[in-house]
Amino acid sequence: DTGVSQNPRHKITKRGQNVTFRCDPISEHNRLYWYRQTLGQGPEFLTYFQNEAQLEKSRLLSDRFSAERPKGSFSTLEIQRTEQGDSAMYLCASSLRFGSSGVSTDTQYFGPGTRLTVL
Amino acid sequence: AQKITQTQPGMFVQEKEAVTLDCTYDTSDPSYGLFWYKQPSSGEMIFLIYQGSYDQQNATEGRYSLNFQKARKSANLVISASQLGDSAMYFCAMRELIKAAGNKLTFGGGTRVLVKP
Repeated sequence: DTGVSQNPRHKITKRGQNVTFRCDPISEHNRLYWYRQTLGQGPEFLTYFQNEAQLEKSRLLSDRFSAERPKGSFSTLEIQRTEQGDSAMYLCASSLRFGSSGVSTDTQYFGPGTRLTVL
Repeated sequence: AQKITQTQPGMFVQEKEAVTLDCTYDTSDPSYGLFWYKQPSSGEMIFLIYQGSYDQQNATEGRYSLNFQKARKSANLVISASQLGDSAMYFCAMRELIKAAGNKLTFGGGTRVLVKP
């Protein structure tokens, strides 16, 4: 059973460029989340999907950020016109809303993250 | 207002000793969940233990146990018999199930633990 995977693991870009990150959740998980973590801080919620529907977006998610989960499987997070303040670790997590027993588990399992550096 | 507070920025613990990491939380939601995650230097957040607000007993998971004091709004993590591999950042997080929209986790600032041989 593979865990959550994220690609790339590291991304260095110049200010003003667009970047896209990919997250592949645990295969049977129907919920997917994006968080951002800056150095020395805890992760901050950005957005989450249940299947392909984006159900919540944080105010942190400016109009330069867009996330998709087109077929309810993998997700992409795109940042347009990157700024130095976007430098952070971007973490993806997934969870299973209800297991086969009908009991809610919903524990979020995280991927290894994508570290973005904007020069 | 801070919803999750971890007052210990860093701690040293002797190998094989127990260590308690503090976490206090603030919510008016009657239904919530509390989580602890470990983040080694590699960066991945590893789920350790979960406590639901209606759970009558403190959660335990191997060497991890959660000292849940609902009236005090605290959810301290106890790691018994510390091992060198326990050196990492530890984050407390909360999910509010009714009043907050969605399913997001709110994290504290973390506690760095260094286990000394």
